Amino acid sequence: DIQMTQSPSSLSASVGDRVTITCQASQDISNYLNWYQQKPGKAPKLLIYDASNLETGVPSRFSGSGSGTDFTFTISSLQPEDIATYYCQQYDNPLLTFGGGTKVEIK
Amino acid sequence: QVQLVQSGAEVKKPGASVKVSCKASGYTFTSYDINWVRQATGQGLEWMGWMNPNSGNTGYAQKFQGRVTMTRNTSISTAYMELSSLRSEDTAVYYCARGREGEIDYWGQGTLVTVSS
Repeated sequence: DIQMTQSPSSLSASVGDRVTITCQASQDISNYLNWYQQKPGKAPKLLIYDASNLETGVPSRFSGSGSGTDFTFTISSLQPEDIATYYCQQYDNPLLTFGGGTKVEIK
Repeated sequence: QVQLVQSGAEVKKPGASVKVSCKASGYTFTSYDINWVRQATGQGLEWMGWMNPNSGNTGYAQKFQGRVTMTRNTSISTAYMELSSLRSEDTAVYYCARGREGEIDYWGQGTLVTVSS
């Protein structure tokens, strides 16, 4: 099974800061990598699919990049409403695997 | 609008089984896979498996093989996930979620399953 290593597990940043989260796959997954945001008590929400495509309705301050085994998720200017846990997820047809999550807090 | 509405919270004893339902609306039920994902309190997301509602084909994460069964009733656009031989470590919120290609685009509200003697 493909393992996903996400880092950091948590981070604290100021409003307006650029925030970066990385996700590494244990083997080449091409661009089959998605990013989700989960707020406390809520279901996750899809933000980025196929490594770099912004889901409809998602603010443009969110972006993703990468291919193969190394991927990056970026919030260009952190907003108070972005406080959440972020997860990467790979797709190795038909199996899915999630990363361990990154909790983002405001400093 | 797309909605996935799950059944209510359950409390089960160790060794018992639980069956969670997920009723889909707002789209053609047989056109998208249904995934099941669980989340223990304070922990991350754990994918359990998928089902193709059109064919009934399923695929389960190795961890759950032999203990999980995913089924559907297309006449009422409802998917089911049954987990057997429950233990305390199975206490979690269970989500059904619609698969679109390799990503999940809609999620149910979650069902809390508590396993306790």
